[in-house]
Amino acid sequence: DAGVTQSPTHLIKTRGQQVTLRCSPKSGHDTVSWYQQALGQGPQFIFQYYEEEERQRGNFPDRFSGHQFPNYSSELNVNALLLGDSALYLCASSSSRRETQYFGPGTRLLVL
Amino acid sequence: AQRVTQPEKLLSVFKGAPVELKCNYSYSGSPELFWYVQYSRQRLQLLLRHISRESIKGFTADLNKGETSFHLKKPFAQEEDSAMYYCALGGNGNTDKLIFGTGTRLQVFP
Repeated sequence: DAGVTQSPTHLIKTRGQQVTLRCSPKSGHDTVSWYQQALGQGPQFIFQYYEEEERQRGNFPDRFSGHQFPNYSSELNVNALLLGDSALYLCASSSSRRETQYFGPGTRLLVL
Repeated sequence: AQRVTQPEKLLSVFKGAPVELKCNYSYSGSPELFWYVQYSRQRLQLLLRHISRESIKGFTADLNKGETSFHLKKPFAQEEDSAMYYCALGGNGNTDKLIFGTGTRLQVFP
């Protein structure tokens, strides 16, 4: 089991563009959470998906949206990119509520 | 408001010295506390959670609800303990959303 995988590993975009990040959960996991980690900060919760629905959302604008597919993989979409969206985006998966979250390696997004 | 505070950005010790990484939290419900570690060029991984009450790699952490703290301790630091350590707060209702502190970088010198 490769664990949680994310693609791409790195991405460079310009302001105003849109980006899609992808995550495949660990085998047997059905819940996916997304976090944003700015330089020098801890990860901040964006939202969580379970049974293909957004279950909870953190303090992020509507420009951040997501999706979960029937195979439990997930996408994070960010529209109208701002310079401040430059960060490491982490995906974490778990098997059910209140179980340990396993993190992926992250996608590093740079917005110019 | 739910919050996690790690007051030290950097903690430097020599090999064999005791280590204590501080974590304080603010939460009105029943908290679940975690320590995550990130070694150089590796992904974030769970080190321990308070509910397990176990020692991992010689590290322990006790939840002190009176002081709202969950400090991470190790009696004798090893060079391989050098890493970034994050304290995280869970127990948020129906989800396992985690609230992280800003992290403490532990440097263990030989």
